[in-house]
Parts: sequence; structure tokens; C-alpha cells
Amino acid sequence: NAGVTQTPKFRVLKTGQSMTLLCAQDMNHEYMYWYRQDPGMGLRLIHYSVGEGTTAKGEVPDGYNVSRLKKQNFLLGLESAAPSQTSVYFCASRGSGAGTEAFFGQGTRLTVV
Amino acid sequence: LAKTTQPISMDSYEGQEVNITCSHNNIATNDYITWYQQFPSQGPRFIIQGYKTKVTNEVASLFIPADRKSSTLSLPRVSLSDTAVYYCLFCKAAGNKLTFGGGTRVLVKP
Repeated sequence: NAGVTQTPKFRVLKTGQSMTLLCAQDMNHEYMYWYRQDPGMGLRLIHYSVGEGTTAKGEVPDGYNVSRLKKQNFLLGLESAAPSQTSVYFCASRGSGAGTEAFFGQGTRLTVV
Repeated sequence: LAKTTQPISMDSYEGQEVNITCSHNNIATNDYITWYQQFPSQGPRFIIQGYKTKVTNEVASLFIPADRKSSTLSLPRVSLSDTAVYYCLFCKAAGNKLTFGGGTRVLVKP
């Protein structure tokens, strides 16, 4: 049981390049989330999904797109990377029961130069 | 919009009890109060969750007064390895957003 797995763990992009971050969970969870965390700051919600085929905007959605074509995967896309998107990205999932806990991945450290 | 307020940082010493209080603005009837711990370079991990009164597990205790406008996370006899950032947040019984605040940075000194 791997839990929540993020791919890749590290990436360096040039400004204007695109990339996709993959989050996979094997716990059959309904809800999935993408966060970014800048140095010394808390986590900020980018986008989230309450089920397969659904997505919704979080606090800081600009410059990102997401897709949830399969229940176990939640993809985060950067169409045209900017230095301001340099951050650590965390994915999380949780079940739909009352007050269920969220499980987080180990993070993806992205640097945009 | 429901919001939590907690101290930015706290210092403690090994063996002491650490209490972190979180204020909840406009907590909803169906919101659970949840605490997460985050070590450097790692994702947050769940510590404890409660709805009202007191909850205790092997890691911590959570005290929630009757009005539910605040909660206190209690870490008994902390060690150096408890140095981390602790987040208080709401978790709705029926899913959707999971929004983190700034957290409380706890430093445990020898």
C-alpha cells in the first residue's frame, strides 16, 4: 500500500516551458487536492477534486490546470511556467466519510529559472 | 468564510507540555477540528481530530470547549523530534475544501 505518490520529486523548468505533475493514490479516496508551499509559508490550495471527472478552484488557481480522468489520479499542469511558480507542490487525498483524515504525498520541488 | 487563527511560533523545552490554541471564526455545525504536523521537507501528517469535548490518542490530546470557537492541541512531554509546524484546520463531514492557515512553528530545545 503506497498511499499517495507524487511524480516527479524534483524538476527544473525554464520560463515558458510546460509540465504535468502526477499524483496517484491507491486508497480509493474520493477527494484529492493540490497545494503549493513557498519557503516559510503554509500550504495554499491550488485546485481540488471531489470525485472522478470533477475539479474545482482553490485559493491560488491562476496559471494551473488540473484533470481527474481516473479516480486514483489527479494531474496538475503548468502550461507556461513562470519563476513565481517555483515552490514545493503537495498532493493529498482523503475519503468521503465524516471527518476523514487527509494523506499527503512527499512533495515535488519545482524550480523555474 | 471559516478561518482559523493560531500563534505563529512557540518555544519549549524537552519534557515539557506544549499547548497550542486555535481560534475558529465562524465554525460550522458540521465541521470537525483537525490538526496536522509538518516536518521540514515533508508533507503534513494527521495528528488528531475532534468535534467537541476531549479527544486523546497516543500522540496528543485535543480540547474543544462547548461553544467550539477554539480548540487546544496538547503535546505531552515533548522531545526534540516534536519540532515541527502544527496546523489547525476545519474538515467538513461532507468533504470538499481543506484549507490550511499559517500554522504554529514549535521549536523544542534541549
